[in-house]
Amino acid sequence: EDQVTQSPEALRLQEGESSSLNCSYTVSGLRGLFWYRQDPGKGPEFLFTLYSAGEEKEKERLKATLTKKESFLHITAPKPEDSATYLCAVQALSAGANSKLTFGKGITLSVRP
Amino acid sequence: EPEVTQTPSHQVTQMGQEVILRCVPISNHLYFYWYRQILGQKVEFLVSFYNNEISEKSEIFDDQFSVERPDGSNFTLKIRSTKLEDSAMYFCASCRETEAFFGQGTRLTVV
Repeated sequence: EDQVTQSPEALRLQEGESSSLNCSYTVSGLRGLFWYRQDPGKGPEFLFTLYSAGEEKEKERLKATLTKKESFLHITAPKPEDSATYLCAVQALSAGANSKLTFGKGITLSVRP
Repeated sequence: EPEVTQTPSHQVTQMGQEVILRCVPISNHLYFYWYRQILGQKVEFLVSFYNNEISEKSEIFDDQFSVERPDGSNFTLKIRSTKLEDSAMYFCASCRETEAFFGQGTRLTVV
């Protein structure tokens, strides 16, 4: 069974204090690893897809990286508007294209001004 | 920018009643999904739908649940006889290639 574990559960940063969020996964062949942002009471907002170990993607202050066992979401010089829950999800290769996503519990990030 | 639209945003229903949650996926997307998120828990997969039929479903998606694409734009989730434990946020998502885009959700409260 595919599993996704995210750590820490919650993270408090001072504005400008860079950090990393971790996503560890076990899957029967990885088709893709996805990062989403979720604001309270809202739906997940797509950020990145990573497909193979060594791949990196960037968007503004966020950079996502992937190894064979985990992914990191690096946040550089965060601002209060980066406060949200960050979700990691995996899609298995064996299940076919566009198969289900298996999510982790998420990491709640709070950035203080 | 195109988005997935869900209605209603919040629904309160009596236990045992039927509810229909509605979604309008992004227009050129081919794959449609329902997920749910119980308060404080993970986002969980319910069902996927492609080419007018269910392509995958989870153990949660039992006989009380059904999905339908009644016309070219809407995608619905029906719960026939709601239970207290069905209370959750229900998210619709659609996908064209690989990335799934989610709606803002329907908060279902069963009392």
